[in-house]
Amino acid sequence: SQQGEEDPQALSIQEGENATMNCSYKTSINNLQWYRQNSGRGLVHLILIRSNEREKHSGRLRVTLDTSKKSSSLLITASRAADTASYFCAEPNDMRFGAGTRLTVKP
Amino acid sequence: DTGVSQDPRHKITKRGQNVTFRCDPISEHNRLYWYRQTLGQGPEFLTYFQNEAQLEKSRLLSDRFSAERPKGSFSTLEIQRTEQGDSAMYLCASSLPGRNSYNEQFFGPGTRLTVL
Repeated sequence: SQQGEEDPQALSIQEGENATMNCSYKTSINNLQWYRQNSGRGLVHLILIRSNEREKHSGRLRVTLDTSKKSSSLLITASRAADTASYFCAEPNDMRFGAGTRLTVKP
Repeated sequence: DTGVSQDPRHKITKRGQNVTFRCDPISEHNRLYWYRQTLGQGPEFLTYFQNEAQLEKSRLLSDRFSAERPKGSFSTLEIQRTEQGDSAMYLCASSLPGRNSYNEQFFGPGTRLTVL
């Protein structure tokens, strides 16, 4: 079974809109990492949020973490066509991934 | 470019043939992971090494699969007697756990295997 489960499975938006995707996990975590994967490529680390952090920003990305609800969210603001990819969450010491959220940003 | 390289990037083979993939991790990383990914799914863990020791293997890693990391640097993943169900992207990642690290995994570009 997966540790991180992403939701929704697919998301389609227009360029310029914001995209929000969620991650829920089953057990306690130390840190949570978000990745992006372009079609046919490897995963690229986006942002890591530590268990004692509630929110973290990096450019157009905002990640929140709610350890009481065992959930995290990734917000991409002012989306671009180049943001089209699959997004995954995972605990760095865990080797289990969910199916990801497939984001499509239409120009 | 994350610094993790994989070779080849693409491999097409006939059913029953053996294939071998190579992964070169980031040089100072002592952990190396192999994953398999099929279309529309997330990476599935296969195995991982700490230096040259193989510490964990998934039940997905059947007897036809073997992985090595002989000198604690690069690793190879061999699939014997390939089957069409082995067609997938094979991803390698490396990390450096430690007191000042969160053990983030850095992924290579993957090797796409097609078994005809």
